[in-house]
Parts: sequence; C-alpha cells; structure tokens
Amino acid sequence: DAGITQSPRHKVTETGTPVTLRCHQTENHRYMYWYRQDPGHGLRLIHYSYGVKDTDKGEVSDGYSVSRSKTEDFLLTLESATSSQTSVYFCAISERGPAVAGALNTGELFFGEGSRLTVL
Amino acid sequence: EDQVTQSPEALRLQEGESSSLNCSYTVSGLRGLFWYRQDPGKGPEFLFTLYSAGEEKEKERLKATLTKKESFLHITAPKPEDSATYLCAVQAIYSGGGADGLTFGKGTHLIIQP
Repeated sequence: DAGITQSPRHKVTETGTPVTLRCHQTENHRYMYWYRQDPGHGLRLIHYSYGVKDTDKGEVSDGYSVSRSKTEDFLLTLESATSSQTSVYFCAISERGPAVAGALNTGELFFGEGSRLTVL
Repeated sequence: EDQVTQSPEALRLQEGESSSLNCSYTVSGLRGLFWYRQDPGKGPEFLFTLYSAGEEKEKERLKATLTKKESFLHITAPKPEDSATYLCAVQAIYSGGGADGLTFGKGTHLIIQP
C-alpha cells in the first residue's frame, strides 16, 4: 500500500474557524491532490501540487488554500470554515503527472484514508 | 463538459450471481477511463485503466470493457468481499479541470450477500 497518511481523520469545528488538514506521503511522488467527496457528487478536485511550492486550483477551490513546503507534505487550509465545507476530504498522490499531450498517464492515483470534517 | 453516469446506483446480488456495472461517459476526446474500488471509510483503490474501444482488462473476478460511449465492469461469481462502491472516472485528451483532469462518476454501491 502507498504510504499516505492524513490527519486528523475526524474533526468537528464551528463556522468561521480555520482548519488545516495534513497529508503526508512516504513515496516521494511528485504529484499530490486534495479531493472532496460528498453524497450525490463524484470526487471533486480542490487543489493539486506538481512540486514543492508549485500548486494550482482544481474544480472546487473557492474557500480553500494549500501549501507544499516539502515533497512529503501537502496541507489544505480552510481559512474560515463554512457548513458547505462539511465533507470527506481525500489526499491522493501519483507518480506521473497531468494529462499532457503525448505523455502517458495511467490515471492511477493512490488515495489516503480520508479526513471527515464536520462544520457546525 | 465531461460527464460520467454510473448505473445502477446500488446493486444487491447473491454470492455467485454474476452481473455488470455500467459507466456511460461524454467526453471531448477520451484519453483514458479508470475504475476504482472504494470500501466504506477508506479511500478509493485503483483497479484498471482502459484507453481505447475494444480494450479489456481483468483482475480476479472483475473484467472491465470499453466502448466508444460506455464501460462495463463485469463481476463473475462474486463473493461477499467484493462488496464495495465502484467508481468510474474519465480523462479527456485536453483536460481543463485540474492536474489530472479526472471526472468521477457517483459510483455504484455493490452488496454481495452470502
């Protein structure tokens, strides 16, 4: 199994408070991702990173920020949590990167076990 | 806009009762279609990648097939341990939605009863 750990695994917080979720990998993979998973929706990409200090927005990035100061750590921050951010958050890593023309990307992502966040 | 629709939403089978899960997709040029398995309380686990119509991949009791409009995940003589949610995702040749450009379906929740 890919070495990915997410922390905390569960968190309950109040509206307006800041929250940081951490993803730590031991695989030395270059690419890291944060997804959220909600009932009635497929997995949706929040932010991703293609290297240390190199990050970009995904499909649902509003209200979230990320940082990657080391290869192994990717942090997701909710500056001021809202109830709509109640969700299960998954970190994922991959060895190969984006769907660049001509590049083979198997779409093989390794996921962490998730962080369940409840915003009251 | 890329779309992925999985059916049925839920499926209950008896152990040994074979069936198929469907993944219909709309994408402007398919780079790849992916199947993942997700157990309760866990992250998705990669199963297969399919690149072109007619391609098939197998793993134990699972076989994934691909046409130009849909993919099927065939489950032969399933066992209770095959119970999980199965996710399908597509990746377009020109992906505007992020690094990997994966668009996920909502999944099929499969229950295999002993």
